This record gives sequence, C-alpha cells and structure tokens, in this order.
Amino acid sequence: EAGVVQSPRYKIIEKKQPVAFWCNPISGHNTLYWYRQNLGQGPELLIRYENEEAVDDSQLPKDRFSAERLKGVDSTLKIQPAELGDSAVYLCASSLEVQGNNEQFFGPGTRLTVL
Amino acid sequence: KQEVTQIPAALSVPEGENLVLNCSFTDSAIYNLQWFRQDPGKGLTSLLLIQSSQREQTSGRLNASLDKSSGRSTLYIAASQPGDSATYLCAVKGTYKYIFGTGTRLKVLA
Repeated sequence: EAGVVQSPRYKIIEKKQPVAFWCNPISGHNTLYWYRQNLGQGPELLIRYENEEAVDDSQLPKDRFSAERLKGVDSTLKIQPAELGDSAVYLCASSLEVQGNNEQFFGPGTRLTVL
Repeated sequence: KQEVTQIPAALSVPEGENLVLNCSFTDSAIYNLQWFRQDPGKGLTSLLLIQSSQREQTSGRLNASLDKSSGRSTLYIAASQPGDSATYLCAVKGTYKYIFGTGTRLKVLA
C-alpha cells in the first residue's frame, strides 16, 4: 500500500514569491491534515479536512495561506506571498476516521526555504 | 488549552540499555495518544496508537502506556539499538485534532 505522497520534497524561493505544495493521501483515508514543523518543534496543525470540507482551519494564516482538497482526495497548500518566517517543513498526514482508531500517517514533508 | 510536554529533550544511552521516554499532557479528556519517530530530514513514522480506553500497547521492543488520570504516557524501548536513534514525538488527540509535544531526541551509542 502506498503511503502519503508529497511534492516537492524541497523548495527554495525568494520572499514575496508564491509557492504551492501537493499531497496525495493514503487511498480511502477521509481525513487529511496539513502541519507546519519548525526546527526543534513538534508539528502544528494548519488545516484539517474531512473529505472535501475544511473542518478546522483556525491556525491557518488566511491572509497569505490557502488550501483546497479536490474531490476529497488530493490537497494543495499555497502561500502567497511567502515571508522569511514561513521557512519550515510542511507535512501532510491522513487518517481513516473510524470510532476508536484515528491513526495518522505522515508523508515525507516539503522543506521550504524562503530567502 | 491542551499542552503536551516531553522530558527529557535529549537522551544519550549505550546500546542494549532499556529506556523510558515520557509524555505529559494537561487535559485528560483525550480521544487517543500516538507515538511517532522522526529521523532527520524525514516525515513522522507511526509507532503506536493508544485509544483512551486502553492502558497500553505493544509492538516488538516498544511498549507504550497511558494513564489519563495523571496525564501521562510512557514509551518503553527494550534493548536499545543504534538504529533506534531518532526523535520521538507523542501526540494527543482531543475532539478534533492532535497536539504534539516537542519530542525527545534519542541517541543510542554503539
């Protein structure tokens, strides 16, 4: 079974440029998460989808960040314009939300460097 | 607001030693707790998931326990190996989302 797929793995951009990250979750997983992880810290949730609906985006900086989950499968996270402080690893995770078992599975992440 | 703490932040042990990693959380109303390992530059690998009704879970040399009333979980690693060197993160799930600790960076010396 394929795991969570993310691309690109690395991205280096100048500040004020746009950037987009793509995630393909594990087949059949109805819940998708985007996290941001700063160096030496645990991941912090940006947005959570149940199928195609964003059910928790309270931590998403909406002035510059946007996300979508097409047909409840793949998802794209966009930053426009990027700032120096956005440099981090962006992680995508998915889970099958059934009662009592919500094990999350993570992709390899996209390491973003904003210069 | 749920807060998750992992102590120690870093740990170095000789190969073969049994060790315990700690995770504490402030709100006992959790749905489940998940332990992960993260290798440098990589994503998170799920190790164990403990549901709120369970006390422990085991997988190979790993054993995770959960005490909701005291807000604590431990990850026990038996007979540690250099390949166990990584950062170990715990994540606590409330009603809708997981809150992560900052991790324990483990180094097992050959």
